[in-house]
Amino acid sequence: GAGVSQSPSNKVTEKGKDVELRCDPISGHTALYWYRQSLGQGLEFLIYFQGNSAPDKSGLPSDRFSAERTGGSVSTLTIQRTQQEDSAVYLCASSPDAGTGGYGYTFGSGTRLTVV
Amino acid sequence: QKEVEQDPGPLSVPEGAIVSLNCTYSNSAFQYFMWYRQYSRKGPELLMYTYSSGNKEDGRFTAQVDKSSKYISLFIRDSQPSDSATYLCATDSWGKLQFGAGTQVVVTP
Repeated sequence: GAGVSQSPSNKVTEKGKDVELRCDPISGHTALYWYRQSLGQGLEFLIYFQGNSAPDKSGLPSDRFSAERTGGSVSTLTIQRTQQEDSAVYLCASSPDAGTGGYGYTFGSGTRLTVV
Repeated sequence: QKEVEQDPGPLSVPEGAIVSLNCTYSNSAFQYFMWYRQYSRKGPELLMYTYSSGNKEDGRFTAQVDKSSKYISLFIRDSQPSDSATYLCATDSWGKLQFGAGTQVVVTP
């Protein structure tokens, strides 16, 4: 597609429920990233995928968070047993390659997650 | 301490004024520096991209990097109400971007 597409755009869930957030990257982009943006905070790195390499999961805050990327394209971020502190905007980005020095990143509009 | 520090503002300026934004970073190994603009309920969009030290100009926008002091700046000349947004500095950290907290800028007509 023309840009990075994320769904849903908004999600309200009850504490303790699991949620899945979806990201469709730009076609042909081999690198895909997930970031989290909390109120008043900058973007916090969560995980990134580069081609067929093992993902860099170093930013995942707990084992309740996981992500997968199927067929080198669509990615799903799963949060299990959601907590109120998980409320944030979850942003996905893709780039042609992870080694571009940050150039070519394109962000989606994000999923606004609210845990009540 | 975060690797990239940025004053969150808000910064309010009258239309036509120069907007001056800055960040500091801690790791001297960083080579790539970016400024992103983020409108409300949108994802960040790349505004300026610089490599190593020096200045880069694009229309009303000027980005500066001073690696000796680990200081990154963005200047917006002749600011417009449409420039009202949050501006985030970022640096590439081995394939991942490290962001500042973002500065909210309001340009009043």
